[in-house]
Amino acid sequence: AQSVTQLGSHVSVSEGALVLLRCNYSSSVPPYLFWYVQYPNQGLQLLLKYTSAATLVKGINGFEAEFKKSETSFHLTKPSAHMSDAAEYFCAVSGTGFQKLVFGTGTRLLVSP
Amino acid sequence: EAGVVQSPRYKIIEKKQPVAFWCNPISGHNTLYWYLQNLGQGPELLIRYENEEAVDDSQLPKDRFSAERLKGVDSTLKIQPAELGDSAVYLCASSDSGEQFFGPGTRLTVL
Repeated sequence: AQSVTQLGSHVSVSEGALVLLRCNYSSSVPPYLFWYVQYPNQGLQLLLKYTSAATLVKGINGFEAEFKKSETSFHLTKPSAHMSDAAEYFCAVSGTGFQKLVFGTGTRLLVSP
Repeated sequence: EAGVVQSPRYKIIEKKQPVAFWCNPISGHNTLYWYLQNLGQGPELLIRYENEEAVDDSQLPKDRFSAERLKGVDSTLKIQPAELGDSAVYLCASSDSGEQFFGPGTRLTVL
């Protein structure tokens, strides 16, 4: 079975500061890992994905994440936050490719001027 | 290219009433998903279709929920009768075996 834990239901940063959203996973098989973003009243949009290739994954909007097997982590980072990054972020895991996604509970990113 | 379309976007009903949600996936996407998203939670899969066939409905509460995907394109999710605890956002997603693309969801409020 697969599961993810997102540490911190809310993260607040100032504009221009580093963004770090934490995700730890549990999987009985080599995982596929995903980060999605959800803006208010919108569906989820894929930011990036790890599919057992390069451990450092670059995504859209300047985000990246690093797969660390030894720490069972897949934290999301962005060097400099922008006001438009304020949204809900979900980490997800799958043990079977893209189909059976198991989502975390989400982290709301707040960006202050 | 149009994304996943869902309607209605919002629905308010009284408990014990029936309700239906409609989803039109991205053209050419054979796989369609329905998810339930409770407030403050991540989406949870209800059912997955491959063309017309429901290949994973293990999390669908079959006593009151039903779904169909006639002709392997559009899909309808129904709840009958609705309960207070069904208040949530119902998301539809589609894929062509790769990345899942999500619609904006239907926000259901049961009074």
